[in-house]
Formats: sequence, C-alpha cells, structure tokens
Amino acid sequence: DVKVTQSSRYLVKRTGEKVFLECVQDMDHENMFWYRQDPGLGLRLIYFSYDVKMKEKGDIPEGYSVSREKKERFSLILESASTNQTSMYLCASSVPGQAVFTEAFFGQGTRLTVV
Amino acid sequence: AQKVTQAQTEISVVEKEDVTLDCVYETRDTTYYLFWYKQPPSGELVFLIRRNSFDEQNEISGRYSWNFQKSTSSFNFTITASQVVDSAVYFCALRGNRDDKIIFGKGTRLHILP
Repeated sequence: DVKVTQSSRYLVKRTGEKVFLECVQDMDHENMFWYRQDPGLGLRLIYFSYDVKMKEKGDIPEGYSVSREKKERFSLILESASTNQTSMYLCASSVPGQAVFTEAFFGQGTRLTVV
Repeated sequence: AQKVTQAQTEISVVEKEDVTLDCVYETRDTTYYLFWYKQPPSGELVFLIRRNSFDEQNEISGRYSWNFQKSTSSFNFTITASQVVDSAVYFCALRGNRDDKIIFGKGTRLHILP
C-alpha cells in the first residue's frame, strides 16, 4: 500500500521560529510536492521537487524553502514563521513523465498554527 | 499557464438527488492528465479518477461518472443518487507534460442533506 507520511498532524509554533515540516514517501517516487490549503483558496503549490537536490518554485514560494537530500524525504522550511502561514500543509508524491499512474499520493496533512 | 476552475464553491442537495460538479481547465500542452480527488471531513485527500488527454471516453464507477469533453475543456463529475457519505470537498486537478506539476482548482464543497 502506498504511503506518504507527514511527521506531525498538528503543530503550534511561535512567530519568528524556524519550522520544519517533514514528509517521507515509501513509493520510490521521483516527484514530491508541498501544498498549502486554505478555505476558499483550494490547494496552492508551494514547491515541487523532481529529483534529489532539485526543486522548483510553485505559485506561492515566498517565506518558504525546501530541502531534498534523499529521494524519500522532502522537507518544507519556514525560516521565520509568521501568523499568515497558519494553514494546512499537504505533502504529496508522484511518478515522473507519461506514466500510467500519474496522480499524486497525499499525506494526511499538517495543521500548523503560528501564534 | 495552466489553470483549473471550479466555479461552484458550495452545493447542497437532498439525499438521493443527482449532482454534477463542474471543472474547466486551461493548458497549452497537447498531452495532459486530469484528476478528481475527494476530501472528506477527516481531511485526507482521496484519489478518485485520472483521465489522460487521449482518452475522451466517459467513465462510470458505481454511482460516480465523469464526462470529459476536450472541445469545451471540461471534466465534470456526476454523483447519482447521492448519499450523506458523499458530503466532502471535491477537487479537480491538472498535470501537463512539460513538467510534472499538478495544479488544483479551489474545490467544491458538497453537502448532502438527509
């Protein structure tokens, strides 16, 4: 059974803290994604990684960075957390190219509150 | 640029009614993939269906059916004889072939009233 695991379900952090959100997948997928979900705005892509150490900015990268040192792990970093980064964060993975199974597989989400 | 539009923000229907969720997409890629996901109150995103741009056949899976029309750039989702368990947020998504990014619509919140 495919699995994408996010390290925390709920997280509360203080303004200005450096925050790490971790995601691990066991499907040997090349692609990994970080999305942010807010009411009325749907899922917005923050960053995308298509291989180890490779990354591309999504639609809303400001205030975030990512790290992909190993194929199975993709970290989202909030360098200095702010209250407007309070949100649900979703990690996903997928296979590359024109494969049969092109969909993304999602983790359970991390609800981050910045106070 | 790629874009997915779900114009219906929220829909409420009475149980056993049929309901259609609309999805319109924009892409310049000749090969692309479309998806529908369900997000129940528990929060996890559940994959429902994928469709590639070469396959315009409609699909039926139990009470669910999907209508893909390239001519109108639409990929609509119909639930027949809706049930309370269908209450969820439904997302339509698009992946092109120039890169593997997957872009989502804003979602449609569906309420099935008993």
